[in-house]
Amino acid sequence: QKEVEQNSGPLSVPEGAIASLNCTYSDRGSQSFFWYRQYSGKSPELIMFIYSNGDKEDGRFTAQLNKASQYVSLLIRDSQPSDSATYLCAVKAGYSTLTFGKGTMLLVSP
Amino acid sequence: GAGVSQSPSNKVTEKGKDVELRCDPISGHTALYWYRQRLGQGLEFLIYFQGNSAPDKSGLPSDRFSAERTGESVSTLTIQRTQQEDSAVYLCASSLELQSSGNTIYFGEGSWLTVV
Repeated sequence: QKEVEQNSGPLSVPEGAIASLNCTYSDRGSQSFFWYRQYSGKSPELIMFIYSNGDKEDGRFTAQLNKASQYVSLLIRDSQPSDSATYLCAVKAGYSTLTFGKGTMLLVSP
Repeated sequence: GAGVSQSPSNKVTEKGKDVELRCDPISGHTALYWYRQRLGQGLEFLIYFQGNSAPDKSGLPSDRFSAERTGESVSTLTIQRTQQEDSAVYLCASSLELQSSGNTIYFGEGSWLTVV
């Protein structure tokens, strides 16, 4: 059984702070790791993907992957109220389904 | 088309009726996924199509649910004898499915199903 675990939150941070979202996964064969953002009533929107151990930066977002610890995280710098949403972690191994965590709700207060 | 297209966007049906939900993936995408998301819940995997391979149906919750895909194009998710617990948004996603990693997966806007 492939599992992806996330803290449901909500994670509350003030505007301008760094938000840190965490995810662990059970399948050691996982190769691709994705972070999606989902606003209420909307479909998931891809923010970032990462395949290699280490950090990957894209604007205010940094994804971090540690395959040995089976851990992936998303950092959001200079958090804005518009970042308030549910963040979904998803993992995939080769030709297989994309398994999602249940998501972490992020609230950024002005 | 430019993105994953789903129809209908909203459907209200009576308990016991059958419904069909359609997904038109991004052109050239060989992989197609169906997920269900109940209100306030996470994404629940239903079925995965990859090229000409047998689909992974392991997520279908009951034999009332079935899905078909024509080649590498349109897919239809059918729910027979709908029940109130089937009320959810049904999300379709597609991706290129290359041997190597690097396959971005894109979602449609979903089909919101309400069973009354």
